[in-house]
Amino acid sequence: YVLTQPPSVSVAPGQTARITCGGNNIGNKGVQWYQQKPGQAPVLVVFDDSDRPSGIPERFSGSNSGNTATLTISRVEAGDEADYYCQVWDSGSDPYVFGTGTKVSVL
Amino acid sequence: EVQLLESGGGLVQPGGSLRLSCAASGFSVSSNYMSWVRQAPGKGLEWVSVFQSGGRTYYADSVKGRFTISRDTSKNTLSLQMNSLRAEDTAVYYCARDPVTMVRGVTAPAYYMDVWGKGTTVTVSS
Repeated sequence: YVLTQPPSVSVAPGQTARITCGGNNIGNKGVQWYQQKPGQAPVLVVFDDSDRPSGIPERFSGSNSGNTATLTISRVEAGDEADYYCQVWDSGSDPYVFGTGTKVSVL
Repeated sequence: EVQLLESGGGLVQPGGSLRLSCAASGFSVSSNYMSWVRQAPGKGLEWVSVFQSGGRTYYADSVKGRFTISRDTSKNTLSLQMNSLRAEDTAVYYCARDPVTMVRGVTAPAYYMDVWGKGTTVTVSS
């Protein structure tokens, strides 16, 4: 199962960033999103399409339908600059499948 | 506090072996699916292996037959024995936990990773 993300997204501070994750009928799967800053481990920011772990700001939200899942970051801050990866569970050979990753740059 | 701490990384020659360890605190590794995930320099995340709470193990095709995952419940640790190492195994290796959820009154994995270690670096080079 393959998950495709745009390599990069640029956004001005205070604006909204939208990161897509494309996969065949991904709307039928639960989607997670991880944030990874340089030199650090990934951090879970959204699970089960749209739920947030405790401590993650409400500015991070997710949606999933059809062949595309989306992570939306509202009121973007400089500290949101990072790589973001989507992930699903698949019954195929690799159970945990990660997307190709998107670098979010804050202008 | 729930934490994972990896160790054992280093520089190894092609064809060599290395054993990584992941010490867990704040929870029991036997209660959760536990995975190794790696990230090659400048590349994305790649799932490597999982040790399921029931004892089954699975591997990515890229490491099958060369890597072995294990757990020690008495020490609350997860390990990854890596043999026949190749240059393409060079990466930061993370240990990660899949949280337990309740599905119709039965515990089950959530199928994502909620806790990650800081990672340990493996470099395969002559």
